[in-house]
Amino acid sequence: DQQVKQNSPSLSVQEGRISILNCDYTNSMFDYFLWYKKYPAEGPTFLISISSIKDKNEDGRFTVFLNKSAKHLSLHIVPSQPGDSAVYFCAASANNQGGKLIFGQGTELSVKP
Amino acid sequence: NAGVMQNPRHLVRRRGQEARLRCSPMKGHSHVYWYRQLPEEGLKFMVYLQKENIIDESGMPKERFSAEFPKEGPSILRIQQVVRGDSAAYFCASSGTGGFYEQYFGPGTRLTVT
Repeated sequence: DQQVKQNSPSLSVQEGRISILNCDYTNSMFDYFLWYKKYPAEGPTFLISISSIKDKNEDGRFTVFLNKSAKHLSLHIVPSQPGDSAVYFCAASANNQGGKLIFGQGTELSVKP
Repeated sequence: NAGVMQNPRHLVRRRGQEARLRCSPMKGHSHVYWYRQLPEEGLKFMVYLQKENIIDESGMPKERFSAEFPKEGPSILRIQQVVRGDSAAYFCASSGTGGFYEQYFGPGTRLTVT
């Protein structure tokens, strides 16, 4: 039962353009969502998060949008840079399930110069 | 470096041997989580610990796997009698407060079972 889904395994974007990574979830109890970035042979690095009481959170070039009715969130990176090339994971947590994060399968972003 | 530390980074074990993976949380953090990433998959939650307590082990296989976070020293994930299917990257994360706060990950231990 895949509660968090990232349906695009890969995405290729030109440098300077916008990258949009998508994530869908099924569990309506999720109330906190996070995006992580991962390079090969390294651990995931926290990027940005959003609480379910908000629909948008912005941090520099990164913006996360949450659509609770559609159970969908997206990460926008603008402008995209070659150093953004990595695998991006969305994760979700439910307050009544303690601290565990449920991860999607990841989307590999490639930003071409 | 006050980040999450894991060792060893790479571990090779033969089938039937024991694997011990260590995790030192970020300074000031008292909550530790273990995740496993199988090839071509996302990270899967295994266990959540606080000092001397297992809070949630719902993701741990029922046999051969155990975890602890003693009062002193690092958290340990122990895998007894390893099998080839245990080959994966094992990540530890820590947070300053339990619940839905951000978790910060270590570099991982890549376990290979031959």
